[in-house]
Amino acid sequence: SQTIHQWPATLVQPVGSPLSLECTVEGTSNPNLYWYRQAAGRGLQLLFYSVGIGQISSEVPQNLSASRPQDRQFILSSKKLLLSDSGFYLCAWTGVSSTDTQYFGPGTRLTVL
Amino acid sequence: GENVEQHPSTLSVQEGDSAVIKCTYSDSASNYFPWYKQELGKRPQLIIDIRSNVGEKKDQRIAVTLNKTAKHFSLHITETQPEDSAVYFCAATGDSNFGNEKLTFGTGTRLTIIP
Repeated sequence: SQTIHQWPATLVQPVGSPLSLECTVEGTSNPNLYWYRQAAGRGLQLLFYSVGIGQISSEVPQNLSASRPQDRQFILSSKKLLLSDSGFYLCAWTGVSSTDTQYFGPGTRLTVL
Repeated sequence: GENVEQHPSTLSVQEGDSAVIKCTYSDSASNYFPWYKQELGKRPQLIIDIRSNVGEKKDQRIAVTLNKTAKHFSLHITETQPEDSAVYFCAATGDSNFGNEKLTFGTGTRLTIIP
C-alpha cells in the first residue's frame, strides 16, 4: 500500500533563516506531487505541484521554491523565511491521473519567530 | 482556471439533525469532485467523492449530489454525531490529459455538532 511521509513534524525557525521540508511517497511510481500551505484557521493554498522529476509548476510567486530530485521525493525550500511563512505545510500525491484520489501527508507545522 | 465557492463558512447543527454543505464550480470540464474532512491539527482526509457520470453517491450517513447543469455539488450528513465536528473542504478537478493536474479547493466549512 502507498504511504506518504513528511518531516519534520514541527519546526520553529527565526525570521531570515533557511528552510527545507521533505516529502517522500512509498508504494507507487510516477506520482503527481503537491505542496500546500494552510494558515491557522484558513483554507488550503496550493504552492507547487510536479508531474515528474525536475518538473515543477509554481502557483504563487513568493520566497519559496520546490524541487523533485527523485521520482518519489518532493522538497520545499526557502533561503530566508518571513513571518508570513508560518503555517501548516501539507504534501500530497495522486496517481498519474488528476482524478485519482489525492492523499495528504501528516504535515509540518512551521512557526517563524 | 477553475473557481470553487463553498457555503456556508460555518454551520452549527443539533446532534441527530442533518447538515448540508454546498459548492459551486466554474469550469464545465471538471469531472471529479472529492470532499475532505479535516479535524483540528490533522491532515485532510477524503470522506467521499463523485465523478461526473453519476448524480448521487452514498456511504452510510454521508451522501454527495452533483448537478452538472447548474455546476454545483453538495455534501449531506445525516444523523450527525459529535465526531462529525470538523472542517469540510470540497474540491474540483478536470482531466489531466488537458493540462489540469490539480484540485481546486473551496474555502472550507467549519461544522459544529451541538450535543
